Amino acid sequence: DQQVKQNSPSLSVQEGRISILNCDYTNSMFDYFLWYKKYPAEGPTFLISISSIKDKNEDGRFTVFLNKSAKHLSLHIVPSQPGDSAVYFCAASDWDDKIIFGKGTRLHILP
Amino acid sequence: GAGVSQSPSNKVTEKGKDVELRCDPISGHTALYWYRQSLGQGLEFLIYFQGNSAPDKSGLPSDRFSAERTGGSVSTLTIQRTQQEDSAVYLCASSSESREAFFGQGTRLTVV
Repeated sequence: DQQVKQNSPSLSVQEGRISILNCDYTNSMFDYFLWYKKYPAEGPTFLISISSIKDKNEDGRFTVFLNKSAKHLSLHIVPSQPGDSAVYFCAASDWDDKIIFGKGTRLHILP
Repeated sequence: GAGVSQSPSNKVTEKGKDVELRCDPISGHTALYWYRQSLGQGLEFLIYFQGNSAPDKSGLPSDRFSAERTGGSVSTLTIQRTQQEDSAVYLCASSSESREAFFGQGTRLTVV
């Protein structure tokens, strides 16, 4: 039973445009959400996070939005750059429990 | 070291052999995770250590898999009698109260 779902295996976006990656979760006890970026042959690197007491967190070109009623979060990257091409993992955790990851979305930034 | 360190970075083993994968977490991090990523798949949770609590082993795929964490620091993931389906990248991560997990570079395991 997937508690964290990323329904789009891949996404292609033109350089300079906005990339929107989506994630849904099922466990209402999750109170902390994270996005990770992974390049081939490297471990995932932390990108941005959001607590359930917020609905938006911004860090430079990256913004994460959280809709608790819909159990949905999204990562916006604007403007998209070639170096953003990677696999993006959505993750969530309960306050005292393990982090659960989605299956990832491969983002391709087109020139 | 400054980050999570895993060794070896690559391991090729024959089917049926046992392997041990090592993880050195970031100093002071109380939580340690093991995940694996098979070809084309997402991050599959294996096991979670948090402080002195009993580990959450709910993700271990079979009893051939085991892990320990000595002294609240270094962890070893052991796979006995390896099978070809065990081939994957095994990733270790650690976290503190900030709840952001930091990953190592992974160990690529190939069972031939």
